[in-house]
Amino acid sequence: TQLLEQSPQFLSIQEGENLTVYCNSSSVFSSLQWYRQEPGEGPVLLVTVVTGGEVKKLKRLTFQFGDARKDSSLHITAAQPGDTGLYLCAGDSGTASKLTFGTGTRLQVTL
Amino acid sequence: EAQVTQNPRYLITVTGKKLTVTCSQNMNHEYMSWYRQDPGLGLRQIYYSMNVEVTDKGDVPEGYKVSRKEKRNFPLILESPSPNQTSLYFCASSLSIRTGFYGYTFGSGTRLTVV
Repeated sequence: TQLLEQSPQFLSIQEGENLTVYCNSSSVFSSLQWYRQEPGEGPVLLVTVVTGGEVKKLKRLTFQFGDARKDSSLHITAAQPGDTGLYLCAGDSGTASKLTFGTGTRLQVTL
Repeated sequence: EAQVTQNPRYLITVTGKKLTVTCSQNMNHEYMSWYRQDPGLGLRQIYYSMNVEVTDKGDVPEGYKVSRKEKRNFPLILESPSPNQTSLYFCASSLSIRTGFYGYTFGSGTRLTVV
């Protein structure tokens, strides 16, 4: 069974701070996705990274896929209260018809 | 609007009373899946369907059934619900996974309580 470990589990910061969330595994993934989930709603896809070393930017969010395609990071610059939510990474092994989800990082951004 | 629609959003039921949670998508997606989300355990896949009439077990299929008679619909059936099936359930769809996973569209969730 492939495992995706996310760290930290919880993060509480003030508006304007920067932060990085990590998603690590001992397995290789053909692609990795990041989702954000708000209370009472389903996860919403933020990005998919496919190539080792790939960096994608979405406004203040920067996503990186590790060179070996075993890990990924999400960096948020100048966090805002609207960034509050549960961040989930999910990996596709390419050999099974499913995604493996990490356990999530719960982020709270306060004024 | 492209979306995955689940019903009901909230459901309280009693042990043993059969129930169905419906899921419908309007994006002509081939792949559909059901997940349950529990504190500390994250999202776990219950069943998935690669296309019409093609379904398979995920990681936690016990106590659940699914069917895929039409491309747009993928209902989740609990024949005899038990309290350990109390959870938040999500239906998700993806265009196709034949060339890899490129992203799920999730429904808004169904919060099920079995007493």
